[in-house]
Amino acid sequence: SQQGEEDPQALSIQEGENATMNCSYKTSINNLQWYRQNSGRGLVHLILIRSNEREKHSGRLRVTLDTSKKSSSLLITASRAADTASYFCATDNSGGSNYKLTFGKGTLLTVNP
Amino acid sequence: DGGITQSPKYLFRKEGQNVTLSCEQNLNHDAMYWYRQDPGQGLRLIYYSQIVNDFQKGDIAEGYSVSREKKESFPLTVTSAQKNPTAFYLCASSIAPGHSSYNEQFFGPGTRLTVL
Repeated sequence: SQQGEEDPQALSIQEGENATMNCSYKTSINNLQWYRQNSGRGLVHLILIRSNEREKHSGRLRVTLDTSKKSSSLLITASRAADTASYFCATDNSGGSNYKLTFGKGTLLTVNP
Repeated sequence: DGGITQSPKYLFRKEGQNVTLSCEQNLNHDAMYWYRQDPGQGLRLIYYSQIVNDFQKGDIAEGYSVSREKKESFPLTVTSAQKNPTAFYLCASSIAPGHSSYNEQFFGPGTRLTVL
């Protein structure tokens, strides 16, 4: 079953604008991660936020986590055409195997030059 | 040049044939994973392995088989019992639990399997 669900499913913006994607999940987690996938390629890890953290930054990326609402958001600031990709959230399950991640269906981001 | 490789990039199979997808990593990771991705969908876990000579079924293991005879290698066989095998297959690896970044998974470039 899909633990994480991203929204929107697709997002189209102009270069220089900010992009915000959201992820909701169902069960308790130890951490939540965001991955990026360029078309037809493997996934690349972007950032991991632990359940006891509320916000984390990495370059132009900002991730927030609200465990009371079981939700996370990924903000990409000053977007570039090269940011065009699908973005997935992934969660572990604090009550289950430490190895398994559950991925959402992703948000397809298109940044127009 | 460390990383995780998959071969082939594209694979065509006739109905009723078994095919094996290769996955190799030189990251010295203990855990390895196989996922299936269908168009517009997220990743679904097929099998995972925490250590050599051990593996567990994921959410959609039916019609697939794996082996883990070496730490570096985790091949996936798509058998004729898999009724809808056309998909994009992704292999990943991670460090074992206990390491601060054990949850982060490193992905290969994928194999696109098409059944003719």
